[in-house]
Amino acid sequence: GAVVSQHPSWVICKSGTSVKIECRSLDFQATTMFWYRQFPKQSLMLMATSNEGSKATYEQGVEKDKFLINHASLTLSTLTVTSAHPEDSSFYICSARANGVAGQETQYFGPGTRLLVL
Amino acid sequence: TQLLEQSPQFLSIQEGENLTVYCNSSSVFSSLQWYRQEPGEGPVLLVTVVTGGEVKKLKRLTFQFGDARKDSSLHITAAQPGDTGLYLCAGANPGSYKLIFGSGTRLLVRP
Repeated sequence: GAVVSQHPSWVICKSGTSVKIECRSLDFQATTMFWYRQFPKQSLMLMATSNEGSKATYEQGVEKDKFLINHASLTLSTLTVTSAHPEDSSFYICSARANGVAGQETQYFGPGTRLLVL
Repeated sequence: TQLLEQSPQFLSIQEGENLTVYCNSSSVFSSLQWYRQEPGEGPVLLVTVVTGGEVKKLKRLTFQFGDARKDSSLHITAAQPGDTGLYLCAGANPGSYKLIFGSGTRLLVRP
């Protein structure tokens, strides 16, 4: 159980184009999903919290107009990188929050999407 | 801003050796998770600890949550090449859904 998928697994695009990444919880419902960015040999950096049916909450320094997040259902959140530039190249990972015992916050992660902007 | 410091950052050991990875903070967490990540993949959850002083075992891996819930350790016994990867600890603030990630420990187990 608790499987999270991401699509695509990798994408190469030209500078100026937009790229959409999907994150799905396959066997559970997730009212809250998270989007992270990871640079080579570094830890995960939280970009935003995606809440089903409401606006996403962005971390400080993350441009909400650049990274559009939509959480239209309990099993799907999408991240759109708009007008991508080479500096947006990175490994993007989503996670879905699985409720368990109160106060026990467990997140299950997708396999990641590698974005390369030429 | 809460910080989670992991040590060591890098560890290269011989197969069969034991090792311990530490995760420390000055703040209290309601829960703490340990993940293992391989190159090009997402982190995989190893364990969640909730209670201060809690010890959990997963085969050759032993996880401990500090009594004050500010720190945690991961001990691997008789490491194998398959244990190679990036180990990440992540803590949840009381009342928050967000996870704060440590800087990671990159482990290489040489055959």
